[in-house]
Amino acid sequence: GEDVEQSLFLSVREGDSSVINCTYTDSSSTYLYWYKQEPGAGLQLLTYIFSNMDMKQDQRLTVLLNKKDKHLSLRIADTQTGDSAIYFCADYKGSTGGGNKLTFGTGTQLKVEL
Amino acid sequence: DAGITQSPRHKVTETGTPVTLRCHQTENHRYMYWYRQDPGHGLRLIHYSYGVKDTDKGEVSDGYSVSRSKTEDFLLTLESATSSQTSVYFCAISGRGAGEETQYFGPGTRLLVL
Repeated sequence: GEDVEQSLFLSVREGDSSVINCTYTDSSSTYLYWYKQEPGAGLQLLTYIFSNMDMKQDQRLTVLLNKKDKHLSLRIADTQTGDSAIYFCADYKGSTGGGNKLTFGTGTQLKVEL
Repeated sequence: DAGITQSPRHKVTETGTPVTLRCHQTENHRYMYWYRQDPGHGLRLIHYSYGVKDTDKGEVSDGYSVSRSKTEDFLLTLESATSSQTSVYFCAISGRGAGEETQYFGPGTRLLVL
């Protein structure tokens, strides 16, 4: 079946850049998403990229998509302590029936150290 | 948050008792989803709805049922709770206009089954 994989942990120093990686198996994915989850909270949509793009930038966030390798990354510039959270990637394929189903990775815990 | 509330936010119950979780949205979105979040598994889809009275199963639907009698409400019922259903449950919505595939999440319900 379809699979989305992420590394479990990433630790960076405040002010450095963070790069969170994700690989997926389904080449028919049309959108790929990044969500952020802070402790005790729901998932907050950070950004997404359409499959015909290879890069998207939004303020401190840069998303890179390599369709050939089925690899997605999220770069956070000038990482701050408030960026400490779990980051989930998810992929979406167009649904033929009744739902826009996402497949989530297991999440990457980002820890920002002073 | 995109106008999504979940109730209750926390619940402790005993094995064998029925439990109903409620998701309420004020966005008039067509699609609603129930996920569970467990360590090492990311988010897994339980059930989803593509309209009033239209629902379908996700990947982990055993032991759960859902109902949607109004656009704004989506109920998740555990007919006879088991300890394996201890989890954090998230509701999500999607589906109005452009970008309808993007899902927005509620704050979650923490359920402990003793």
